[in-house]
Amino acid sequence: KAGVTQTPRYLIKTRGQQVTLSCSPISGHRSVSWYQQTPGQGLQFLFEYFSETQRNKGNFPGRFSGRQFSNSRSEMNVSTLELGDSALYLCASSSGQGLTGELFFGEGSRLTVL
Amino acid sequence: AQSVTQLGSHVSVSEGALVLLRCNYSSSVPPYLFWYVQYPNQGLQLLLKYTSAATLVKGINGFEAEFKKSETSFHLTKPSAHMSDAAEYFCAVSENSYGKLTFGQGTILTVHP
Repeated sequence: KAGVTQTPRYLIKTRGQQVTLSCSPISGHRSVSWYQQTPGQGLQFLFEYFSETQRNKGNFPGRFSGRQFSNSRSEMNVSTLELGDSALYLCASSSGQGLTGELFFGEGSRLTVL
Repeated sequence: AQSVTQLGSHVSVSEGALVLLRCNYSSSVPPYLFWYVQYPNQGLQLLLKYTSAATLVKGINGFEAEFKKSETSFHLTKPSAHMSDAAEYFCAVSENSYGKLTFGQGTILTVHP
């Protein structure tokens, strides 16, 4: 069974640009969550999607957005990039049933903003 | 709001020694607790989880953790460290929130030969 797949794995952008990251969940999983990981702030929850609807959202500015498609694949977008957006962005999938929170993570997309 | 505190950002042990990584949580409701491991340049892998079925939870790679409600702790242990255990370990809590885990700051485990 294939795991969670994130693309691209690495990317470099400059301030002011925007970026789109993609996540394909484990087959059969309908929930996709996104996290930002930085050395200073650690792992922080961005948002969660289930059946194309955002069910939960963390405390990030509106520059961070996401969506989910009918096949459960998800994308997140960051507009007007800032230096502080440099981070590892992790996607996680789960069945989405219940609130136990067991998540299966991808290897992440490492974003560097220059 | 729930929170997680991992005591010790770095832990160093000798190969074959006991591994003890500490985690304390704060939660207003009975929590679901997790330990994840992250190897360099990789995502997070679930080691084990507590979901109220049993207080002593066994996970992969010989790790286990004990849920102690009175101490609000969920420490991770392994009787004998192996070089391949060197990684960063994260304790996390979930409560009634879709897709959201609250993570501790992580503990980097170093294993010396």
